[in-house]
Amino acid sequence: SAVISQKPSRDICQRGTSLTIQCQVDSQVTMMFWYRQQPGQSLTLIATANQGSEATYESGFVIDKFPISRPNLTFSTLTVSNMSPEDSSIYLCSYRGGSGNEKLFFGSGTQLSVL
Amino acid sequence: DAKTTQPTSMDCAEGRAANLPCNHSTISGNEYVYWYRQIHSQGPQYIIHGLKNNETNEMASLIITEDRKSSTLILPHATLRDTAVYYCIVRSGTGANNLFFGTGTRLTVIP
Repeated sequence: SAVISQKPSRDICQRGTSLTIQCQVDSQVTMMFWYRQQPGQSLTLIATANQGSEATYESGFVIDKFPISRPNLTFSTLTVSNMSPEDSSIYLCSYRGGSGNEKLFFGSGTQLSVL
Repeated sequence: DAKTTQPTSMDCAEGRAANLPCNHSTISGNEYVYWYRQIHSQGPQYIIHGLKNNETNEMASLIITEDRKSSTLILPHATLRDTAVYYCIVRSGTGANNLFFGTGTRLTVIP
C-alpha cells in the first residue's frame, strides 16, 4: 500500500480564520477522500476529492465551507473556512487501494482546535 | 448499505483470543463485511473483509454465519497494542464510497 501523510498533525486556530490541510500519497491513487471525526464520535465522510474536477460533497457539507483541491493523483488539500469552535475535530484523508481497490487507507489525521 | 450493531465495549486478557461480534441482520446478497480498527490518535486501519466464506489473514480471522446476519472478528492472541475501537462495516461491493463507521466496539486488552 502507498504511504499517506498529512500535515499539520495538529493546530490551534482562532475563530473566523481558515486552515488548509495537506494530504500526500507516495504513489498515484484514483480515489481520495476527506473525513471528519468530531470529539468522541465516529467518522463522517465530508467529500470525495476528484482529480481535475470539483469535489463531490456529502449531505451537510458544502464547498464554501470545505473547499477541496486535487491537482494530481498524489495530492489533495482540504480547507476549513471561517472556523468556529464547532469545527474542532480530527480531519482525516484517505485513499482507496488494495488489489481490488476495496480497502481504505487513512492518514494519521489533523487534530484541529478552534478557540 | 446495511447498518451494523456492535457492543459498546469489551475487555480481553492479554494473550487470549478476542472475539468481537457484529450483527448485520439486514445485509443483502452483494454486501461485504469489513472490519477496521482505530488506535488512539491514529487513522483507521483496515483489518479484514469477507462476503460469505470465513477469512483469515496475518491480523485476524473473520467468521461469518451461514445466514450472513452476523459475524465475529477474532484476534487470536490479543496484545496491549490491540487496544482500539473496532468498526464493523457492511458495504456493497459496487456501492457508494461512503463507509458508515458507526460507533464501533472499544476493545481494551488487559495485562
